Amino acid sequence: DVKVTQSSRYLVKRTGEKVFLECVQDMDHENMFWYRQDPGLGLRLIYFSYDVKMKEKGDIPEGYSVSREKKERFSLILESASTNQTSMYLCASSSGALAEKTYEQYFGPGTRLTVT
Amino acid sequence: AQTVTQSQPEMSVQEAETVTLSCTYDTSESDYYLFWYKQPPSRQMILVIRQEAYKQQNATENRFSVNFQKAAKSFSLKISDSQLGDAAMYFCAYRSYNTDKLIFGTGTRLQVFP
Repeated sequence: DVKVTQSSRYLVKRTGEKVFLECVQDMDHENMFWYRQDPGLGLRLIYFSYDVKMKEKGDIPEGYSVSREKKERFSLILESASTNQTSMYLCASSSGALAEKTYEQYFGPGTRLTVT
Repeated sequence: AQTVTQSQPEMSVQEAETVTLSCTYDTSESDYYLFWYKQPPSRQMILVIRQEAYKQQNATENRFSVNFQKAAKSFSLKISDSQLGDAAMYFCAYRSYNTDKLIFGTGTRLQVFP
């Protein structure tokens, strides 16, 4: 079974703090994703990575950065947390192999971040 | 740009009954994939069912089936014999053929009553 784990289920940070959200997958997947989930807005893509050290902006990258130094790990960084970044953050991974192109993304349990 | 619309923020169904969740999408592409994901209250999102646009036959997974209408750009999910464990947020998602990115709808919260 694919396992995608996230470092924290709940996190409370203060405005202006630097925040790191970590995601690890154990299936040797090429692709990794960070989403933000808000009520009434669904999931919105923040960043994704299709290989080590490669990244691409999603739909809402402002205020966020990412790091992928190892294939299994994808970090989301909030350089200076703000209250409007209070949200649920979901990490996902998927295979980039051509033979598995129709396969789904596998999600982590999510991190509920509150910025006060 | 592609968009996915789920017009039902909430739905409810009696246990053992059938419920249909709606999803429409907008695209100019001919090759793509469609998915339904389920997010139970514990929050781990899991895939329920997927449909390749080039396949005319509707996908089925046990009690879950889709009604894929390509011309109408509609992709509804039918849950038969609903169970209490089906209570969750359901998200419809679209993926272009040549990308790994998903575009999600806003979700439908399904309640199942005993």
